[in-house]
Amino acid sequence: KAGVTQTPRYLIKTRGQQVTLSCSPISGHRSVSWYQQTPGQGLQFLFEYFSETQRNKGNFPGRFSGRQFSNSRSEMNVSTLELGDSALYLCASSWGGGNQPQHFGDGTRLSIL
Amino acid sequence: AQTVTQSQPEMSVQEAETVTLSCTYDTSESDYYLFWYKQPPSRQMILVIRQEAYKQQNATENRFSVNFQKAAKSFSLKISDSQLGDAAMYFCAYTGWETSGSRLTFGEGTQLTVNP
Repeated sequence: KAGVTQTPRYLIKTRGQQVTLSCSPISGHRSVSWYQQTPGQGLQFLFEYFSETQRNKGNFPGRFSGRQFSNSRSEMNVSTLELGDSALYLCASSWGGGNQPQHFGDGTRLSIL
Repeated sequence: AQTVTQSQPEMSVQEAETVTLSCTYDTSESDYYLFWYKQPPSRQMILVIRQEAYKQQNATENRFSVNFQKAAKSFSLKISDSQLGDAAMYFCAYTGWETSGSRLTFGEGTQLTVNP
């Protein structure tokens, strides 16, 4: 069974640009969550999608957005990139219940120049 | 808001020995789940063990076990017979059934070094 797949693995952008990250969940999983990981702030929850609907949202500005497709694949978009957006972005999938363990991808390392 | 605290930024252990990583949390919810995740240098977060708050019995997974003290809001991880492959960053995480859905709140992490 294939795991959670995130693409690309590495990305370099400049300030002001926008970026789209992709996450393909484990087959059958309907929940996809996104997390930002930085040395200073640690792991912070961005948002969760379940059956194409945003079910939960963290405290990030509106520049961070996401969506989920009918096949449960999810994309995350960051517009008007800032230096502080440099981070490892992790995607996790699960069946959807809070008691269900989340399975993480390898992450996308985003660097802003 | 729920918070998770790991007070040990770094820990080290000799191979084959036992080490305990600490975690405390704060919540007003009555039904919740706690997890320990491991993140090796390869970056992928790997679930080590999970505990349902309504279960009094401590969870165990092979060499990994937890000491769950609900009244004290404490959730420590014990690694027995430590192996070199256990070296990683360990994160304690919380999710509440009522308000959090699948949202995980993580602690700051503990970097575990295993010495040969």
